[in-house]
Amino acid sequence: DTAVSQTPKYLVTQMGNDKSIKCEQNLGHDTMYWYKQDSKKFLKIMFSYNNKELIINETVPNRFSPKSPDKAHLNLHINSLELGDSAVYFCASTLGQLNTEAFFGQGTRLTVV
Amino acid sequence: GNSVTQMEGPVTLSEEAFLTINCTYTATGYPSLFWYVQYPGEGLQLLLKATKADDKGSNKGFEATYRKETTSFHLEKGSVQVSDSAVYFCALRSNDYKLSFGAGTTVTVRA
Repeated sequence: DTAVSQTPKYLVTQMGNDKSIKCEQNLGHDTMYWYKQDSKKFLKIMFSYNNKELIINETVPNRFSPKSPDKAHLNLHINSLELGDSAVYFCASTLGQLNTEAFFGQGTRLTVV
Repeated sequence: GNSVTQMEGPVTLSEEAFLTINCTYTATGYPSLFWYVQYPGEGLQLLLKATKADDKGSNKGFEATYRKETTSFHLEKGSVQVSDSAVYFCALRSNDYKLSFGAGTTVTVRA
């Protein structure tokens, strides 16, 4: 069983479209994250939820909206896609305690054309 | 706020060479420190971690020691292999749930 799974793995779409990326973890973790990785491999945190509550909301365009229906799922919806949204998006999860590591999904490569 | 500064790459080495990737941090409180590795086309995997000062994390021949006095967590490996070619990320986690990453260092090992 995959610990943190994201779908889809690849997503190619046109500018202006709306798309969603789904993430599920089966580790019993209470905190989930979305990160964006650019072409230079830099990782930028976007959002984090703890027990379905938003706890981190970095400076991200409001076209991006996370949704956490339960603590095992964190989805990312993106409206009006732009060329600059092209990147790899990673979901991650962890327990709330300080010294535990995060587990990452395999990533979703989003290409906006 | 918390931040991680990592040695810039890319780094190219020959097999069996010694690898060091420098990492320093700024944080409030007592953070936990991590090294993650990303192989081509994959997600990030934990390589090693240290949760308090003077702890040494180790895995797969890699080591890093949590140095509070120099706020550093440098990654070392004595003899690299081609299979160690990857991007390495230093990270810290403090008391605000946020896992902060360095910029990543791309390492290429040539046979």
